[in-house]
Amino acid sequence: VQLVESGGGLVQPGGSLRLSCAASGFTFSSHWMHWVRQPPGKGLVGVSRINPGGTYSDHADSVKGRLTISRDNARNTLYLQMNSLRVEDTAVYFCVKANLNDELGDSWGQGTLVTVSS
Amino acid sequence: SSVLTQPPSVSVAPGKTATITCGGNNVRSKSVHWYQQKSGQAPVVVIYYDRDRPSGIPERFSGSSSGNTATLTISRVEVGDEADYYCQVWDSTSDHSWVFGGGTKLTVL
Repeated sequence: VQLVESGGGLVQPGGSLRLSCAASGFTFSSHWMHWVRQPPGKGLVGVSRINPGGTYSDHADSVKGRLTISRDNARNTLYLQMNSLRVEDTAVYFCVKANLNDELGDSWGQGTLVTVSS
Repeated sequence: SSVLTQPPSVSVAPGKTATITCGGNNVRSKSVHWYQQKSGQAPVVVIYYDRDRPSGIPERFSGSSSGNTATLTISRVEVGDEADYYCQVWDSTSDHSWVFGGGTKLTVL
């Protein structure tokens, strides 16, 4: 299993970014996928998740209406569209493959750093 | 919704046993999973469903759960075990279905 995130960087408050996660080594279309973030020096926080077919997703209240998860099963790629970014969104964002029951993250990418600062 | 409480830090000498707890009002009715995160790296599952160990994880790592507390035990601790450890449960009533504890920094003296 390999999960490779990209798209992070420095953005001003109110700006936008789109994160991508290229998946390989497993049947991507069979698994729930998650984005989990980790602010600098702090713990893990679940942000968004999406079902295998891409027909259902949900987001933590802190990002609802601003961050949107999506997936392209033909391209084995997970996305996170990030709009109206705030300073408190600064974190490493991990792409995570869930086990078949969606109860835990059994494979994690290396993460991509998003810094929101003026 | 679930809230998981971990001690911020645990210190142990090499060769000794480290015990990291994860307490919460819903722990008794849920499966607990444990992750190890070394500095600058992604988390890795070390225990899942309370006590199962993924292939490649040393037998020194074990998990248990009793009442409202789950426990990760690391026997014969090595310097390479120094890391942050997080517990996690699945809770459909929470903000996000994966609820993480605040993490415990394991220091090997």
